[in-house]
Amino acid sequence: KAGVTQTPRYLIKTRGQQVTLSCSPISGHRSVSWYQQTPGQGLQFLFEYFSETQRNKGNFPGRFSGRQFSNSRSEMNVSTLELGDSALYLCASSLGGEQGGELFFGEGSRLTVL
Amino acid sequence: GQNIDQPTEMTATEGAIVQINCTYQTSGFNGLFWYQQHAGEAPTFLSYNVLDGLEEKGRFSSFLSRSKGYSYLLLKELQMKDSASYLCAVRDWGGGNKLTFGTGTQLKVEL
Repeated sequence: KAGVTQTPRYLIKTRGQQVTLSCSPISGHRSVSWYQQTPGQGLQFLFEYFSETQRNKGNFPGRFSGRQFSNSRSEMNVSTLELGDSALYLCASSLGGEQGGELFFGEGSRLTVL
Repeated sequence: GQNIDQPTEMTATEGAIVQINCTYQTSGFNGLFWYQQHAGEAPTFLSYNVLDGLEEKGRFSSFLSRSKGYSYLLLKELQMKDSASYLCAVRDWGGGNKLTFGTGTQLKVEL
């Protein structure tokens, strides 16, 4: 079955702009989580959506937001981009439920802010 | 909050066995994951432990001791392709799929 698909794979933006990243989870998976990966901080949790509701949120400013659609596809948005937002943004999907379950990661969207 | 520690780098020889340790502190433990990540690629799932003991899956095994806040990943019969970063991650109760990751252990396999 198809894996987690993220688009775009690479993008370059300038400070002050905004960006929208998309994630299509594995068919049947209802939970989508977003993580930011940087060389200095490693993988950090942004937020999780389950059945169109935000279930968890990490410690990121309000410039980072997300949503999930009825087909479980998810988008995340970063407004007023800063240089420090340059990172690999990873989406992970799982069946969900109370136990969570195994997370399958997409290839990521690599954002460069100039 | 959570605190996860794992060594930054390790080097091992092809065909050998290597153990990557992970210690954690958490308020409500609900599972520990190990992921492998090759440079420029997505993390791939290796193992999941929620109860104490050893979980074996082919050349890879993972051990958990909840009372000690300790886990290790054991890789046997090392191959060059095992050179990668190995990430330890912990999930809390009520955390859904919110995982807290360690900074990863970069493993280099040499001839």
